[in-house]
Amino acid sequence: GESVGLHLPTLSVQEGDNSIINCAYSNSASDYFIWYKQESGKGPQFIIDIRSNMDKRQGQRVTVLLNKTVKHLSLQIAATQPGDSAVYFCAENASVQGGKLIFGQGTELSVKP
Amino acid sequence: NAGVMQNPRHLVRRRGQEARLRCSPMKGHSHVYWYRQLPEEGLKFMVYLQKENIIDESGMPKERFSAEFPKEGPSILRIQQVVRGDSAAYFCASSLSRDRDQPQHFGDGTRLSIL
Repeated sequence: GESVGLHLPTLSVQEGDNSIINCAYSNSASDYFIWYKQESGKGPQFIIDIRSNMDKRQGQRVTVLLNKTVKHLSLQIAATQPGDSAVYFCAENASVQGGKLIFGQGTELSVKP
Repeated sequence: NAGVMQNPRHLVRRRGQEARLRCSPMKGHSHVYWYRQLPEEGLKFMVYLQKENIIDESGMPKERFSAEFPKEGPSILRIQQVVRGDSAAYFCASSLSRDRDQPQHFGDGTRLSIL
């Protein structure tokens, strides 16, 4: 069954504020996680990934935090912009042989001008 | 520097017909994955292929669905005798290698509608 889940289906933030999107996983053996952004009518776009030997990883305006103790990861978007409006998915690479990503349900981020 | 290309973008079929979805991976990528997305849901893994080989088909329905990735040409996801429940968006992704920490890059999908 699914091992990745998201806390909230929707998140609304004011332009310029920081956004935090959360994700929980249940498999303590999970060791690689990816965040994707999906805009309407498009495919998922890779944002950032993190391995389990890291607690934090930063990209351009995005930071992913991984808490292995409580099996939780989050995506933080700094200075949220209207172009950030999309559905965000966390995904776990669940296959020992590689390949199989398990996606959460997604959080829809809406940015208010 | 083309990304993953999928066609057609939209496909309409009547119940009982066959649907063929095509995917060309990113240049240099030899690993292809197919996922299905129902409305308001996340993506569900279907199958993982490398050139001429099926690596993992644990997410594929046992009947009517098949996938291939020939030595030459795109990967094909084939659905025979389609039913209404097959209506979904089908996404293809590709990666450089089978390493678990290689990101998968997605195409924009084929939206399949069954009348």
